[in-house]
Amino acid sequence: SQTIHQWPATLVQPVGSPLSLECTVEGTSNPNLYWYRQAAGRGLQLLFYSVGIGQISSEVPQNLSASRPQDRQFILSSKKLLLSDSGFYLCAWTGQGRLGELFFGEGSRLTVL
Amino acid sequence: GNSVTQMEGPVTLSEEAFLTINCTYTATGYPSLFWYVQYPGEGLQLLLKATKADDKGSNKGFEATYRKETTSFHLEKGSVQVSDSAVYFCARKPTGNQFYFGTGTSLTVIP
Repeated sequence: SQTIHQWPATLVQPVGSPLSLECTVEGTSNPNLYWYRQAAGRGLQLLFYSVGIGQISSEVPQNLSASRPQDRQFILSSKKLLLSDSGFYLCAWTGQGRLGELFFGEGSRLTVL
Repeated sequence: GNSVTQMEGPVTLSEEAFLTINCTYTATGYPSLFWYVQYPGEGLQLLLKATKADDKGSNKGFEATYRKETTSFHLEKGSVQVSDSAVYFCARKPTGNQFYFGTGTSLTVIP
């Protein structure tokens, strides 16, 4: 069966520090991968998605970047965090040929102080 | 555009009450439509979906019908339970790879 994991689950970082959130998917190949941010009162905001290794599409210009070094690995990064980067980050995947269902990871709570 | 607009919460209902959470979408093309649910302390999980006009998605007593004429996908349940307390998200997937979500509606069901 397919599983998705992301870590760390919680993170407290000072302003200006770097960020790395990692997401991996098991049990499938060539998934589409997504990073969302859930902020209070704003729902889920699509940040990045990837349809293959090294292929990243950005939805919202901002302080974050994403990379996909391997087929089932998706990384969200920042060189210098801002206060506004605080939020709940969710990784998700969908398989090729499915009718569009997204499967989400457990989420990573980031607090920037 | 690719917006999804859903009813603002929070919504508080008594057990066995009827639930409606409204969702409308921007009509560009023929998107697939979804409702996701996030129970306290958990990630999002799919509740139901519909991929074409007039389709009805249903699961766990919840239903939503894809209405192309009104660009809506309202979530309904005839009799809510305390265990239905969660945040509900309407989502839209146009042709392509992106999924777009509404702001979420928090539901609390009291005994």
